[in-house]
Formats: sequence, structure tokens, C-alpha cells
Amino acid sequence: DAGVIQSPRHEVTEMGQEVTLRCKPISGHDYLFWYRQTMMRGLELLIYFNNNVPIDDSGMPEDRFSAKMPNASFSTLKIQPSEPRDSAVYFCASSLEGFGYTFGSGTRLTVV
Amino acid sequence: SQQGEEDPQALSIQEGENATMNCSYKTSINNLQWYRQNSGRGLVHLILIRSNEREKHSGRLRVTLDTSKKSSSLLITASRAADTASYFCATDKTSGSRLTFGEGTQLTVNP
Repeated sequence: DAGVIQSPRHEVTEMGQEVTLRCKPISGHDYLFWYRQTMMRGLELLIYFNNNVPIDDSGMPEDRFSAKMPNASFSTLKIQPSEPRDSAVYFCASSLEGFGYTFGSGTRLTVV
Repeated sequence: SQQGEEDPQALSIQEGENATMNCSYKTSINNLQWYRQNSGRGLVHLILIRSNEREKHSGRLRVTLDTSKKSSSLLITASRAADTASYFCATDKTSGSRLTFGEGTQLTVNP
């Protein structure tokens, strides 16, 4: 398995633009997580899914953020409109219940 | 605040020495995990210890868990320059619930 695959690796966009981050979890994993990492706030859980169903989205900062998991092999995190304070590294991770997470390499988002 | 808090925030040692990092948490847990993150990379799972376990080994890694003190330690023996990274502990309250990460310990191993 190639692991958790995220795209793009880097994204630079202008304030107000829509940004879509993509994630392909490990086949067979039933949990998928979206985290954001910044120097100031560390690693923050944004949302997680179990069997494609959102379980906890309390970490999503505002309505500008939305996440979907249309099937077991794909998830997106969308920010619309983007703001400079959204600049961070966004990680996707997947797991089987009771086991450790496998993280993707992350998407470094810069909003100018 | 974060469930897990690592101590120290930064640790610098010489190659060959042992490195010990500590993690404290506030509420009861289902399991505790340790992760490593190299600069600019994603987190890598190192080891998971369940709440009913007290010690676990994996290669040069040794993890202990003291649920009465709500603390855990990660020991890396015979450290190498390649061990330089940030180390995070993470906990979940129940099986299938969210993992909450601490702020991490930055370990530097000098050759």
C-alpha cells in the first residue's frame, strides 16, 4: 500500500479563493481524520469520519470549512473563502479502530 | 487545553546517549500513542500502549504508562542522529474516539 496520499503537497492561493485539499486513505481503514498543524496551536483535529460518516466536526473552525467523504477511498477538505489565518499544514490520517494512525505527508497551504 | 503535554519541550543529547521524554494527561484514557515527526513530514506512529498495560518495547523504544499518575514516558536508547525529530504523545478516551495530541518534544541528537 502506498500509504495515505494527500494532494496537493503545496498550495499557494490568494485570500478569498476556494481551496480544496484531497486525501486517499489506506484501503480497509475505517477511520479518516483531518488535522491542521501550526506553530501557534500545534496539531488540531478538524473533523473525523467513521465508515464515511462524519462523527465529530467540532474542530472545524468556521462555516468556511467543509469536509466530505463520498466513498471509502476519498475525502476532501474545502475552504471557501480562504483567509491568511488558514495558512497551515493540513494532514489527513487513517486508521483501523484500536490501532495507530497513518498520516499523509500533508498539504502546506499558504493564503496570501 | 491539549489532553497530552510533553516534557521537556526540547532536548539535546549526544549520539549514543539515551533520551527520555515524558507525557502527562488529564482524563482517563483508552490508549496512549507516541508519534515522531521529522521536519516537513507527516507524523509516524511509533508505539501504542493500552490503558491496562504498564510497559511496552519496540526495538530501541521503551514506553511506560502509569495511569495512577496519568503519565507516560518514552525512552530511546543508544540514540542516533537520525532520531532527531519532534515526538508527540496522543491519547483517546474511548475506542474509536478522537486522538488528542500534545505539543511535542523536539529532540536533537548531535553526532
